[in-house]
Amino acid sequence: SQTIHQWPATLVQPVGSPLSLECTVEGTSNPNLYWYRQAAGRGLQLLFYSIGIGQISSEVPQNLSASRPQDRQFILSSKKLLLSDSGFYLCAWGAGLSTNEKLFFGSGTQLSVL
Amino acid sequence: AQKITQTQPGMFVQEKEAVTLDCTYDTSDQSYGLFWYKQPSSGEMIFLIYQGSYDEQNATEGRYSLNFQKARKSANLVISASQLGDSAMYFCAMREEQTGFQKLVFGTGTRLLVSP
Repeated sequence: SQTIHQWPATLVQPVGSPLSLECTVEGTSNPNLYWYRQAAGRGLQLLFYSIGIGQISSEVPQNLSASRPQDRQFILSSKKLLLSDSGFYLCAWGAGLSTNEKLFFGSGTQLSVL
Repeated sequence: AQKITQTQPGMFVQEKEAVTLDCTYDTSDQSYGLFWYKQPSSGEMIFLIYQGSYDEQNATEGRYSLNFQKARKSANLVISASQLGDSAMYFCAMREEQTGFQKLVFGTGTRLLVSP
């Protein structure tokens, strides 16, 4: 069966520090990978998605970047964190691109930038 | 324009009763998919139910059913026989049939509290 791992679960970082969140998927090949952010009390906003190694698409301009160095690994990074980067970050994977393809989510990372 | 609208920030229901969580959507596509996810306090998003725009029957998954009214562009989630473990945030989402990448767009969610 497929599983998705995301870490760390909680992170407190000072403004201006770098960031690296990692997500890995097991039990499937060539997944579509996603990074979402959820601000407190709000819905999910898609940040990045990837349909293959080295293929990254950004949905919104921001202080963050994403990379996919391996088929089942997706990394969210920042060189210098801003206060506005605080939020709950969720990694997800999907098997295809049709309208009925559901996403499977990791357990999330709560990022607090102080 | 907002694609998914969930107008109920919070809902309360007593255990064993049924509850309906509202969701309306906006799309010009003929082919699209509607999803409901549950987010407990742990934060993980759990898939509950899916409805395709061409599906003639309302989707059902155990105690969850989707009241799909295509002409009104609504896809309400009905939870029957509520349980204490149903207390969580619930998100409606849509994926449209478009050229290129079809992303999943989420509403702002409804917080459901089930009381004993």
